[in-house]
Amino acid sequence: EPEVTQTPSHQVTQMGQEVILRCVPISNHLYFYWYRQILGQKVEFLVSFYNNEISEKSEIFDDQFSVERPDGSNFTLKIRSTKLEDSAMYFCASTQGYQPQHFGDGTRLSIL
Amino acid sequence: AQTVTQSQPEMSVQEAETVTLSCTYDTSENNYYLFWYKQPPSRQMILVIRQEAYKQQNATENRFSVNFQKAAKSFSLKISDSQLGDTAMYFCAFMTHLQGGSEKLVFGKGTKLTVNP
Repeated sequence: EPEVTQTPSHQVTQMGQEVILRCVPISNHLYFYWYRQILGQKVEFLVSFYNNEISEKSEIFDDQFSVERPDGSNFTLKIRSTKLEDSAMYFCASTQGYQPQHFGDGTRLSIL
Repeated sequence: AQTVTQSQPEMSVQEAETVTLSCTYDTSENNYYLFWYKQPPSRQMILVIRQEAYKQQNATENRFSVNFQKAAKSFSLKISDSQLGDTAMYFCAFMTHLQGGSEKLVFGKGTKLTVNP
């Protein structure tokens, strides 16, 4: 069964540094998402992406965040200047639309 | 705004027994989807079961079934014949539609289920 893949599985970064989280959605999916889960808390929606543009973003997704689909397969989340509170598990998800979202295994981001 | 409430932060069950996890939600939409996701200690997000709001019949997937009460906005998950591998965090989620055809999931805070041998 096709899977959403995320790299790296764990990223450790110094506060203030830029970080890029990578995702390869399922190949025939059209809608892409990033979610965040701070340790011990619920999963929160960050952003949705369709047709090469952001469909919607949450209040969490401020100017420090950006998303990009640089080629036909990758979908990236960039955090420009990381803060301690950005430490979390970041999940990428994709769907064909009106179907369940398939999640990747997540990237654990640790900001020091 | 849609909200999802899971009122049981933790539950435990003996192996082979049945357990029910509760979930309520709030929405003004009429057509929507509801999901249960399982998150084991490895922290993957695994889809367990889904329910379309327009379907009256409760969804079933092997040992997992739901009790969907649309009027009451309730969506509980029943796990029969519990297995040690069912130990995980369980999240109830509501899918809401966004502009342009995409959707987003709104999650509850989760219920930590422990299956005891």
